[in-house]
Amino acid sequence: GQSLEQPSEVTAVEGAIVQINCTYQTSGFYGLSWYQQHDGGAPTFLSYNALDGLEETGRFSSFLSRSDSYGYLLLQELQMKDSASYFCAVRDQTGANNLFFGTGTRLTVIP
Amino acid sequence: DGGITQSPKYLFRKEGQNVTLSCEQNLNHDAMYWYRQDPGQGLRLIYYSQIVNDFQKGDIAEGYSVSREKKESFPLTVTSAQKNPTAFYLCASSTPYNEQFFGPGTRLTVL
Repeated sequence: GQSLEQPSEVTAVEGAIVQINCTYQTSGFYGLSWYQQHDGGAPTFLSYNALDGLEETGRFSSFLSRSDSYGYLLLQELQMKDSASYFCAVRDQTGANNLFFGTGTRLTVIP
Repeated sequence: DGGITQSPKYLFRKEGQNVTLSCEQNLNHDAMYWYRQDPGQGLRLIYYSQIVNDFQKGDIAEGYSVSREKKESFPLTVTSAQKNPTAFYLCASSTPYNEQFFGPGTRLTVL
């Protein structure tokens, strides 16, 4: 089977940096994705890592270590609008584009 | 504008009734997906379709049915066999092996 673990809640101060970790177990690994979801809204894609290393997109970066089955999402210069839930996801074991999601990390940014 | 639409936004159903949730996309994507999200939880895959006239069960297909007669449309029927249907339902689409784009969701409540 597949499993993903991420912290359920994180709180950080506006302007700070926060890291959201994700560890996974899957028999076939095809990449780690991150999605953001505001309350009541639709998930939106943030980043995707298929290979080890850091991917940077503006204030957001994502890191993957396949040997450790571990990744993280790094949010810099936090803004109030970054308060949302963040989900890591892996492609399913068939290698198709189906995603298996973690239970999400709720980030609260405080002034 | 290209995107995914879901209707209705809110839906109320009496126990024992079937109900159909609409999902339409004009992104010319081959693959479409249905997810269920419960409060404080991640997304769980109900059904997916990688091409017209073909669909596959996801992790929690029991009590649900779908059709894919047109590339643009992937309706989900929640049947009376689904014992706990109250949830937030999200439809998504993608090109092969790329990010998934989500619709705004339908919140279903069983009275």
